Amino acid sequence: DVKVTQSSRYLVKRTGEKVFLECVQDMDHENMFWYRQDPGLGLRLIYFSYDVKMKEKGDIPEGYSVSREKKERFSLILESASTNQTSMYLCASKGQGAGSYEQYFGPGTRLTVT
Amino acid sequence: DAKTTQPPSMDCAEGRAANLPCNHSTISGNEYVYWYRQIHSQGPQYIIHGLKNNETNEMASLIITEDRKSSTLILPHATLRDTAVYYCIVGGNKLVFGAGTILRVKS
Repeated sequence: DVKVTQSSRYLVKRTGEKVFLECVQDMDHENMFWYRQDPGLGLRLIYFSYDVKMKEKGDIPEGYSVSREKKERFSLILESASTNQTSMYLCASKGQGAGSYEQYFGPGTRLTVT
Repeated sequence: DAKTTQPPSMDCAEGRAANLPCNHSTISGNEYVYWYRQIHSQGPQYIIHGLKNNETNEMASLIITEDRKSSTLILPHATLRDTAVYYCIVGGNKLVFGAGTILRVKS
């Protein structure tokens, strides 16, 4: 069974803090994704990575950066957290090539910035 | 990526088939139709996908019209545990999630 784990289920941070959200997958997947989910807006893609050290901007990258130093780990970084980054953050992974069509999601991290 | 249109909500009686429609009139030839669902407080879960042909797996069936401009997800015998938000997505490696359909299965 594919497992995607996220470092915290709930996180509370103060405005201006640097925040790290960690995601780890155990299926040797090439692709990893970070989304945020807000009521009425659905899931929106922040960044994705198709290989170690490779990254591409999604639809809403502003205020975020990412790091992928190892294949199994994809980190989302909020350089200076703001209250409008209060949200549910979801990580996903996906294999590459024929037969790899499913994104596997983690349980999510609910981040509150006060 | 093509956009999709889904009804905001639907109700279904427990044990009956749930038919969830989706319009994707701007789909291009190499884009797949994916269905995911999200149960409250969990990450989305893959259900099924298809390109042109109808597909069936242990969870659901997917019916895609011949012109590929719309599709229907069928849960053959809905249970209370199928209450969730269902997302119809068209794309490839990147998925663009819309608002989805809230399916409420009622006893």
